[in-house]
Amino acid sequence: DTGVSQDPRHKITKRGQNVTFRCDPISEHNRLYWYRQTLGQGPEFLTYFQNEAQLEKSRLLSDRFSAERPKGSFSTLEIQRTEQGDSAMYLCASSPLKRGVRADTQYFGPGTRLTVL
Amino acid sequence: AQSVTQLGSHVSVSEGALVLLRCNYSSSVPPYLFWYVQYPNQGLQLLLKYTTGATLVKGINGFEAEFKKSETSFHLTKPSAHMSDAAEYFCAAISSGSARQLTFGSGTQLTVLP
Repeated sequence: DTGVSQDPRHKITKRGQNVTFRCDPISEHNRLYWYRQTLGQGPEFLTYFQNEAQLEKSRLLSDRFSAERPKGSFSTLEIQRTEQGDSAMYLCASSPLKRGVRADTQYFGPGTRLTVL
Repeated sequence: AQSVTQLGSHVSVSEGALVLLRCNYSSSVPPYLFWYVQYPNQGLQLLLKYTTGATLVKGINGFEAEFKKSETSFHLTKPSAHMSDAAEYFCAAISSGSARQLTFGSGTQLTVLP
């Protein structure tokens, strides 16, 4: 169990550029989540995958944001035409699929800190 | 919609003193409740969680929390603070409906004074 990994850890970009983040979940974890955390706030849910299917999307996920999990393993989060308001920590989490368990524990990665200039 | 409130964005305690971090949820149906800790520039680590059963939940590093339905609370405590406990603590909930995402409070920064 090597934990959830995220790449890159830090990203600085100019307004209007596109950025892509990668998340590698814990091996064999079926569920994968993306959250966004701004300074002084708790994380806010963005989207959730079960295997390769994107099952839930927050209203925070505008049309400039897209997430994929093509083979049910790693996931990518892309932000197009970045804005200064997108500056935040983007956290990925994964959890195992356990039948009959509603509140599976989500294991978080270290996050990708995005700064939009 | 589910919401989680953490009273006190900053809490300071002396080393060896009791730690009490407050969390209240807003839901007529009790959710599943979690406490996470976040150290600087790191992700979140689970301290403990309440799903069903015993209302006093013990977690890692000597922390525990008690679920009180009548008060809609899930406060986190530790009898004796250690310098290494200095971090940000988040209370979170998953509603008992179909949603699986965590709803977080705004966090409490714990400072431990020598």
